[in-house]
Amino acid sequence: DTGVSQDPRHKITKRGQNVTFRCDPISEHNRLYWYRQTLGQGPEFLTYFQNEAQLEKSRLLSDRFSAERPKGSFSTLEIQRTEQGDSAMYLCASSPHLGEQYFGPGTRLTVT
Amino acid sequence: GENVEQHPSTLSVQEGDSAVIKCTYSDSASNYFPWYKQELGKRPQLIIDIRSNVGEKKDQRIAVTLNKTAKHFSLHITETQPEDSAVYFCAAIIWEYGNKLVFGAGTILRVKS
Repeated sequence: DTGVSQDPRHKITKRGQNVTFRCDPISEHNRLYWYRQTLGQGPEFLTYFQNEAQLEKSRLLSDRFSAERPKGSFSTLEIQRTEQGDSAMYLCASSPHLGEQYFGPGTRLTVT
Repeated sequence: GENVEQHPSTLSVQEGDSAVIKCTYSDSASNYFPWYKQELGKRPQLIIDIRSNVGEKKDQRIAVTLNKTAKHFSLHITETQPEDSAVYFCAAIIWEYGNKLVFGAGTILRVKS
């Protein structure tokens, strides 16, 4: 499968724990995006990278959230001290420099 | 910043009928408008998109129309089939910026057979 992949697909964690998600974009895409989707809503932008540079962060991305793309390929999204309000689907997308965004299958996070 | 509103939130149609979903956007600089289809538990899939230099685009049974003056665009699905049942999201972006898509809240389409 040459599409965007994400790991894990599901994560259940207890409040206060840290979690990390991984996204592998389509190989020739230099832009990578993170979105969050809650039930009944459209995806909401969190942050995006061009190569390894993080170019924009949403105000939704509190200081408990951090994202990296160290070598301009895969990216990780870490949430520290998780809260129940963090429960959502975390979607990754990738695109060429200017191009259509293609989404991964998402990581569903449940914070208990 | 950009704000996208989408209507209706749910739409039920009989198999074979047409379905229309409408979106309005606020930022007149937005010039690229994709539509995504999301089946339950699956990833959003790009099904069609339109640039602002085009008024209409068609791909088999789906079409999108854009009215830049009124700042609204619509998805049209003809001859609906049960497999068209899904949540549909519209979005808007300034293409040259290539940054974040701003999505509507989604429309649940149910095609009854």
